[in-house]
Amino acid sequence: EVQLVKSGGGLIQPGGSLRLSCAASGFTFSSYEMNWVRQAPGKGLEWVSYISSSGVTIHYADSVKGRFTISRDNAKNSLYLQMNSLRAEDTAVYYCARGSTVNPNTFDYWGQGTLVTVSS
Amino acid sequence: DIQMTQSPSTLSASVGDRVTITCRASQSISSWLAWYQQKPGKAPKLLIYKASSLESGVPSRFSGSGSGTEFTLTISSLQPDDFATYYCQQYNSLWTFGQGTKVEIK
Repeated sequence: EVQLVKSGGGLIQPGGSLRLSCAASGFTFSSYEMNWVRQAPGKGLEWVSYISSSGVTIHYADSVKGRFTISRDNAKNSLYLQMNSLRAEDTAVYYCARGSTVNPNTFDYWGQGTLVTVSS
Repeated sequence: DIQMTQSPSTLSASVGDRVTITCRASQSISSWLAWYQQKPGKAPKLLIYKASSLESGVPSRFSGSGSGTEFTLTISSLQPDDFATYYCQQYNSLWTFGQGTKVEIK
């Protein structure tokens, strides 16, 4: 069974840093592209960042470029999102989402989400 | 950047109704469009990819159509389990979601 288990969320002050982790199991993690998607409270979905299976290719949404860093450790079956210079508008539930290999560039499995609250 | 606009934002319907949700792209995205369903407190679930292809395990009452800039998601006969929020997503150039359409009980 595919599982994506997140950790690292919580309350952080504006300007602070936080690192999210997503531990994958039930599939060959190193073969899959991965993404972070967020959802502000009561709002819609926003794609945040993408990383290729090897980690070589990375993309970011303009809203987080220069502040967030996506990475992965295929030996540990883990995906990460380092978030720096956090702002109130970064408050959201953050999901890690697996890129489908059957239907490329769609997201076929999602973790349950971790809440990040940026507030003083 | 490609913008995605869904309509309506909210839709009130009854069990058994035929429901249609529209998604428009700010520029042509060919058929690189997906639809997701999200229930409160849950992660989204992929329903449709490449505008009209049904994801494995998704009931056949769901269907998608369109290409270029205009797309639709249709639920042929609304079931109790279908009351949820639906999002379109373009993947022609990076990824962008529509703002969502909430399907609620009439």
